[in-house]
Amino acid sequence: QAVLTQPASLSASPGASVSLTCTLRSGINVGTYRIYWYQQKPGSPPQYLLRYKSDSEKQQGSGVPSRFSGSKDASANAGILLISGLQSEDEADYYCVIWHSSVWVFGGGTKLTVL
Amino acid sequence: EVQLVQSGAEVKKPGDSLKISCKGSGYSFTSYWIAWVRQMPGRGLEWMGIIYPGDSDTRYSPSFQGQVTISADKSISTAYLQWSSLKASDTAMYYCARRDDGFDIWGQGTMVTVSS
Repeated sequence: QAVLTQPASLSASPGASVSLTCTLRSGINVGTYRIYWYQQKPGSPPQYLLRYKSDSEKQQGSGVPSRFSGSKDASANAGILLISGLQSEDEADYYCVIWHSSVWVFGGGTKLTVL
Repeated sequence: EVQLVQSGAEVKKPGDSLKISCKGSGYSFTSYWIAWVRQMPGRGLEWMGIIYPGDSDTRYSPSFQGQVTISADKSISTAYLQWSSLKASDTAMYYCARRDDGFDIWGQGTMVTVSS
């Protein structure tokens, strides 16, 4: 079982809000981790969006709009990237990352389509 | 402007050696870790390893340990990723990224194609 699991794809309409999930493997407690989120558009390198551990420990990437935010769902053992007011330019791949067992681990990524 | 500029695309044959580079500018190169990340065609991101140019402390992902070598020359603010014997499966885009908590600055990527 992978350390981080993300849905392969997701679609939503312009103006909507969408939650991208990053589920940690059973036995790895989401509450103890900083979860980093990155956006990658076709033909471009990834871009750092934000880091979230808790509401008191979070960081927004430089220049990243506030409509991108992070949270956690402890019951699902998952990190969440919330994008509100979806725009066509948000169509991209999104990756979650954690530092686990002395290794930076990337999730498999979610392809977000803005219909 | 803080930036990482990577060397250009490479086309190599299986068994060839290769060293690609990542030059930092606009910040203190020796004060931040530099990571290397692989992206195979149509696939996700994989962390390969990381180096602290200040003292060349280097860590590798178990998946890449022994397969590649990461180094840095702080005198010219440049980090390197090298292979001694390339395989077709090394065909991928390779990114370097600066670590400041998250990976906040990324190079533009170096495409490596290995084909006979």
